[in-house]
Amino acid sequence: DIQMTQSPSSLSASVGDRVTMTCRASQGIRNDVGWYQQKPGKAPKGLIYAASSLQSGVPSRFSGSGSGTEFTLTISSLQPEDFATYYCLQYNSYPWTFGRGTKVEIK
Amino acid sequence: EVQLVESGGGLVQPGGSLRLSCAASGLTFSSYWMSWARQAPGKGLEWVANINQDGTEKYYVDSVKGRFTISRDNAKNSLYLQMNSLRAEDTALYYCANLVADLSRYCSGTSCSSTTYWYFGLWGRGTLVTVSS
Repeated sequence: DIQMTQSPSSLSASVGDRVTMTCRASQGIRNDVGWYQQKPGKAPKGLIYAASSLQSGVPSRFSGSGSGTEFTLTISSLQPEDFATYYCLQYNSYPWTFGRGTKVEIK
Repeated sequence: EVQLVESGGGLVQPGGSLRLSCAASGLTFSSYWMSWARQAPGKGLEWVANINQDGTEKYYVDSVKGRFTISRDNAKNSLYLQMNSLRAEDTALYYCANLVADLSRYCSGTSCSSTTYWYFGLWGRGTLVTVSS
């Protein structure tokens, strides 16, 4: 199975900060990666697919990059509504696997 | 309104069975692959199973193979998860979601090939399954 190692597990940031988080795959997975945001008590929401493509309706402050084994989600200017937990997902091969999440907290 | 609504969760003893349902409305259910994912209390997301449009392709996470069965009824716009031989570690909030396929091309160097990029489009609110004696 492909393991997705997500880091950091948590970070503290202020509104307006640029925030970056990373997922490393245990083997090459092309760009078969998505990113999801989850707020407490809510279902996940899709942000990015194909490593860098924005899902419909997602603000342009979110961006993704990477290919092969290393992938990054960046929030260019953190907004109050962005405080949440973020998960990467690989769908290159079954079983699909999520990273363990990065919790973005208010500094 | 476009929505997915899960039901069927509850408290069940270890070794017991439960059937989850997911009712779709406002979307062309029969045209989508569908998924189940779960989240144990206080933990991260785990993908559980996928099923294609006509139910002929099914994929599972190893931990549920042989115990869980994903199925669908396109006439009823419904997705199901039959869960047998339940264990304490199956305790989780179970979400259904539709899978959106983006047909594209992947290029590496000078070599390009057709590919499908997937993403979860719509999620339900989840149904809680608790396995405990």
